[in-house]
Amino acid sequence: AQKVTQAQTEISVVEKEDVTLDCVYETRDTTYYLFWYKQPPSGELVFLIRRNSFDEQNEISGRYSWNFQKSTSSFNFTITASQVVDSAVYFCALSDLLRTSGTYKYIFGTGTRLKVLA
Amino acid sequence: GAGVSQSPSNKVTEKGKDVELRCDPISGHTALYWYRQRLGQGLEFLIYFQGNSAPDKSGLPSDRFSAERTGESVSTLTIQRTQQEDSAVYLCALGLAGGEQFFGPGTRLTVL
Repeated sequence: AQKVTQAQTEISVVEKEDVTLDCVYETRDTTYYLFWYKQPPSGELVFLIRRNSFDEQNEISGRYSWNFQKSTSSFNFTITASQVVDSAVYFCALSDLLRTSGTYKYIFGTGTRLKVLA
Repeated sequence: GAGVSQSPSNKVTEKGKDVELRCDPISGHTALYWYRQRLGQGLEFLIYFQGNSAPDKSGLPSDRFSAERTGESVSTLTIQRTQQEDSAVYLCALGLAGGEQFFGPGTRLTVL
């Protein structure tokens, strides 16, 4: 079954600390995509990154980095030197092939609420 | 987001009433998704439209839920005989070429 697990419901850190948000997934598909989205207090979901299943290179974008490991079915997200503006709910998502159409829908985890304290 | 608007932004209704939620995307996006986000929860897939193909309705929770879209235009999500468990934020998203989705601001539905 397609499933995304974000075991951390809420994390609090002090500004400038590093923090890692965990994401573990289950999929029957051999080709799939993984995503991270940010939902700040304003409520709108903001796309952060997409990763293909056949590309296990880690990625860094500024203070953000992602660690994709197929062997453990994990796609973890690290924020370095966290800032108050990073406070948000972060969602991990997995593509799910729609066999009737050959396109994808997306399975979202339940999210991790990150609070960065000044 | 600027690429997709949703209306109303907030809707309060009484149990048993029908509601219609609207998603108005910018043109040129054939893939459109509806999700439901209950308070403190992740997103639940409801329905997917791709151009003029038959929509994928596999996520609709009951026959009280229906949605329409013609081509690349406006989509409406209708909930009949609303129940309190329907209270949630309903999000519309456009599917982009890279696979990611561009989300609208959502409609917060409260069923009293």
